[in-house]
Amino acid sequence: GENVEQHPSTLSVQEGDSAVIKCTYSDSASNYFPWYKQELGKRPQLIIDIRSNVGEKKDQRIAVTLNKTAKHFSLHITETQPEDSAVYFCAASIRGGATNKLIFGTGTLLAVQP
Amino acid sequence: GAVVSQHPSRVICKSGTSVKIECRSLDFQATTMFWYRQFPKQSLMLMATSNEGSKATYEQGVEKDKFLINHASLTLSTLTVTSAHPEDSSFYICSAPRGLGEAFFGQGTRLTVV
Repeated sequence: GENVEQHPSTLSVQEGDSAVIKCTYSDSASNYFPWYKQELGKRPQLIIDIRSNVGEKKDQRIAVTLNKTAKHFSLHITETQPEDSAVYFCAASIRGGATNKLIFGTGTLLAVQP
Repeated sequence: GAVVSQHPSRVICKSGTSVKIECRSLDFQATTMFWYRQFPKQSLMLMATSNEGSKATYEQGVEKDKFLINHASLTLSTLTVTSAHPEDSSFYICSAPRGLGEAFFGQGTRLTVV
């Protein structure tokens, strides 16, 4: 079936450094790729997303790149801050009837050391 | 952004009883909602797609008779965990897509079966 792989599972960086999380997907028909940040016990929050018609999108310190040929996409966080510490999930849309459904990656625990 | 409300946020029930979880889209109509299950330190696993006015679509391996889903209106989907057992203890979270697929999550429900 369709799946989304995410690496690394844990990532520790020093405050101010950059963090990169990578995901690969299997369904070539996927056309929507969101990234979510989840703090312990809370709901996932959308932080950035990208659609298949663009290769890169940036929002302040956060950027996402997409390589459709290779079926992988990455999250880049620059100038990391302690409040960036959380679990990050990538997702890819999978056709599921009338509405596409999201399949999530396994998550990356990001720890930003002050 | 859109608001999705999930209730209750926490519930403790005795083994063998049933628990109902509600998911409401407060400011938009959702013909489709998704139910996920999340174990500690793990990803969100899609359980089923809730379809307004028709039967839910379950993912492989998810017991339909155990996890009853009803989507009676354009703003409400319910998940009932029937005859709950300790292994059903988990974090259950719903999401509703709007527009071009962006998913908005409820607060999640922490279910503990004792």
